[in-house]
Amino acid sequence: QSALTQPASVSGSPGQSITISCTGTSSDVGGYNYVSWYQQHPGKAPKLMIYEVSNRPSGVPDRFSGSKSGNTASLTISGLQAEDEADYYCSSYTSSSTGVFGTGTKVTVL
Amino acid sequence: QVQLQESGPGLVKPSQTLSLTCTVSGGSISSGDYYWSWIRQPPGKGLEWIGYIYYSGSTYYNPSLKSRVTISVDTSKNQFSLKLSSVTAADTAVYYCARGTTVTTLDPWGQGTLVTVSS
Repeated sequence: QSALTQPASVSGSPGQSITISCTGTSSDVGGYNYVSWYQQHPGKAPKLMIYEVSNRPSGVPDRFSGSKSGNTASLTISGLQAEDEADYYCSSYTSSSTGVFGTGTKVTVL
Repeated sequence: QVQLQESGPGLVKPSQTLSLTCTVSGGSISSGDYYWSWIRQPPGKGLEWIGYIYYSGSTYYNPSLKSRVTISVDTSKNQFSLKLSSVTAADTAVYYCARGTTVTTLDPWGQGTLVTVSS
């Protein structure tokens, strides 16, 4: 299984909105509503930010939102804050009953 | 709340078997339909999904690792384990365990443990 495709980096100024894309195939992203997004700060374990495409776990700010269209899922961060600077990974269920992660996106707050 | 902690050798020789254990505290590993998962991250690189064991005992592995991976559960110790055979330097990574409510909804995660493959 191939990793899902994400842009290597995305940047924005405080207060702006940014969107990270996650492109797969009909055998993963496009075939199931089981897409999650994780935030990872350096030296830390990943943290679940979005699950099942657009649901936020308790405690995650509503600045984070998720969506999907066809084989591409997206994570939008609105009102970008300094603490949002981190690596972000998408993940999808696959037709093999396994999971697959995206290549990862480094978010920089200018 | 449920917490997970990885443990095992930090150094493994090439061709040997890497063995890690994830201890679950704050809840029973045999309660609920959870996906007990392993994920790894080579230094400076992205996350790689290794596999999971479902509460029913079914296991699913990354096809690229399937021939070398075994995930098992010890309910008496409230632990689940990872074994990766015939390791090479490419298996050097931080290994994480996590609990999933679905295959992709992983929360919480352990803090991770670095395993280096070197002679």
